[in-house]
Amino acid sequence: GAVVSQHPSWVICKSGTSVKIECRSLDFQATTMFWYRQFPKQSLMLMATSNEGSKATYEQGVEKDKFLINHASLTLSTLTVTSAHPEDSSFYICSARDNWGGDYPRETQYFGPGTRLLVL
Amino acid sequence: RKEVEQDPGPFNVPEGATVAFNCTYSNSASQSFFWYRQDCRKEPKLLMSVYSSGNEDGRFTAQLNRASQYISLLIRDSKLSDSATYLCVVTSGTYKYIFGTGTRLKVLA
Repeated sequence: GAVVSQHPSWVICKSGTSVKIECRSLDFQATTMFWYRQFPKQSLMLMATSNEGSKATYEQGVEKDKFLINHASLTLSTLTVTSAHPEDSSFYICSARDNWGGDYPRETQYFGPGTRLLVL
Repeated sequence: RKEVEQDPGPFNVPEGATVAFNCTYSNSASQSFFWYRQDCRKEPKLLMSVYSSGNEDGRFTAQLNRASQYISLLIRDSKLSDSATYLCVVTSGTYKYIFGTGTRLKVLA
């Protein structure tokens, strides 16, 4: 249980392209999902909290017009990197929180396999 | 001072050794605590949540000390496959995770 998928796993694109990443909770409902970015040899950095049916909450320093988040259902959140540039190249990871918790605390997050974005 | 602190390592240990990691947190109101492992170029995977009573899962034992504000992870009989980065995670009143920098473990043959 508690499986999160992400698609695509790899993206290579030209500068100026917009890239959409999907995050799905496969066997549970997730009112709340999270989007992280991780640069080499660094820890995960939270970009935004995605809330089903409402606007995402962005962390300080993250441009909401650059990183568009849509959480239209209880199992799907999308992150669109608009007009991507080489400095946006990174490992993007989503996570989802199981509404019902199960055997773990309700704050438990399950991570997707990540999307590697390379902008040329 | 960082909210969650870990020794980055690396810890290089021989197969079969016992190794322990500590993680300290600064917010005494922190509510939930977790250990995740992250392999190179992969996503974090939940290892265990940590409770005051301590919990054990096979070769892994986690402890929480609220008075001293630290959590620990003990790995017994280390395997080569245990080589990874171990992430300490704390939550404080919201659903947001606060990550430590991670501790790198390398188990040597």
